Amino acid sequence: GAVVSQHPSRVICKSGTSVKIECRSLDFQATTMFWYRQFPKQSLMLMATSNEGSKATYEQGVEKDKFLINHASLTLSTLTVTSAHPEDSSFYICSASEGGSDGGEQYFGPGTRLTVT
Amino acid sequence: GQNIDQPTEMTATEGAIVQINCTYQTSGFNGLFWYQQHAGEAPTFLSYNVLDGLEEKGRFSSFLSRSKGYSYLLLKELQMKDSASYLCAVMDSNYQLIWGAGTKLIIKP
Repeated sequence: GAVVSQHPSRVICKSGTSVKIECRSLDFQATTMFWYRQFPKQSLMLMATSNEGSKATYEQGVEKDKFLINHASLTLSTLTVTSAHPEDSSFYICSASEGGSDGGEQYFGPGTRLTVT
Repeated sequence: GQNIDQPTEMTATEGAIVQINCTYQTSGFNGLFWYQQHAGEAPTFLSYNVLDGLEEKGRFSSFLSRSKGYSYLLLKELQMKDSASYLCAVMDSNYQLIWGAGTKLIIKP
């Protein structure tokens, strides 16, 4: 089956620094990648949707200048949390789809646990 | 390797009961999640089981047997709006989520 990987799996950073999280589709080409944030035992909150080669579409309330998303190829998307603060500590999950933002199955990555101290 | 298995697709009738099974083999266990996902939407959290037994929440119940590496999601009094994909995910010893491929549930009148 389709595999999505994330790197790193966990990261600890100091307040004010930036952190980059990678999301890769290993055996398929991802037309669309999604970035989610999850708090414990809560639903995944969609942060943004990115299509290869174009700007990401951010959900309401998500700061696009703080959460930089780059989807430069059909197998890689990156999320950079800039000037991280402790409230940005969370579990970040990406997913990838072959079929676009409103069609096709989504394959989820294992998540990246970010802790900002 | 780590693996989560759940049926690809199931069909049920409005008003009936359906059970969606999930079996898992993971390196360690820190809980099992069930999510509901409608097409084009973000997954919605349904349940979290970390101890053996049945957790009931309205029309939805989730069961876990850690010794068998097995869980099921039980949906009662099915409604048309329950047509969705249901995702099973296990958190392993490194607190990473291992995802099942999802079960597409089709509800017929």
